[in-house]
Amino acid sequence: EAAVTQSPRSKVAVTGGKVTLSCHQTNNHDYMYWYRQDTGHGLRLIHYSYVADSTEKGDIPDGYKASRPSQENFSLILELASLSQTAVYFCASSDRDSDYTFGSGTRLLVI
Amino acid sequence: QQKVQQSPESLSVPEGGMASLNCTSSDRNFQYFWWYRQHSGEGPKALMSIFSDGDKKEGRFTAHLNKASLHVSLHIRDSQPSDSALYFCAASENTGNYKYVFGAGTRLKVIA
Repeated sequence: EAAVTQSPRSKVAVTGGKVTLSCHQTNNHDYMYWYRQDTGHGLRLIHYSYVADSTEKGDIPDGYKASRPSQENFSLILELASLSQTAVYFCASSDRDSDYTFGSGTRLLVI
Repeated sequence: QQKVQQSPESLSVPEGGMASLNCTSSDRNFQYFWWYRQHSGEGPKALMSIFSDGDKKEGRFTAHLNKASLHVSLHIRDSQPSDSALYFCAASENTGNYKYVFGAGTRLKVIA
């Protein structure tokens, strides 16, 4: 079954530390996305990619980097984690003929 | 201001009742819409898309789009406790499943 798998499911990070969130998809989709979810804001797009080795900035990219080393894998990197980055992060994949498939999310707490 | 606004923020309906959720795009470029549903602890899952004026029905779910006002609604007939979830409206500039903008969501509670 086609799927999007995120790791870790939850993480506690210290302010100023580096955090890497990973995403793996078996859908054979070209597009992959990172969204963050905050109460009252819904899902906001951080970075996305439409092909391996290329990433694009979304609506709220500041403080985040992304990496797409292969079609299947897409990482979100917080070089210097801050308290304001506490949120739930979702990875998704899609292509032009299919709806988004979301992962189960990573709950990040920055202390 | 968010490009996609949803109302109400939360909604309670009795089991077997009708739930009605609303969504409006403030950007005329974003005129293609999807509805997603998220149960607690899970990622959102697609419910349905609507691109043309009028109604689109899938089982107990009916979406209605008015392109002139960029307003889309979702009506859930015979609501079940399992329909309790966070509902997102998403909009895009094209019909491809690419780079949606999501609304803030409507939390639906179906009371047994």
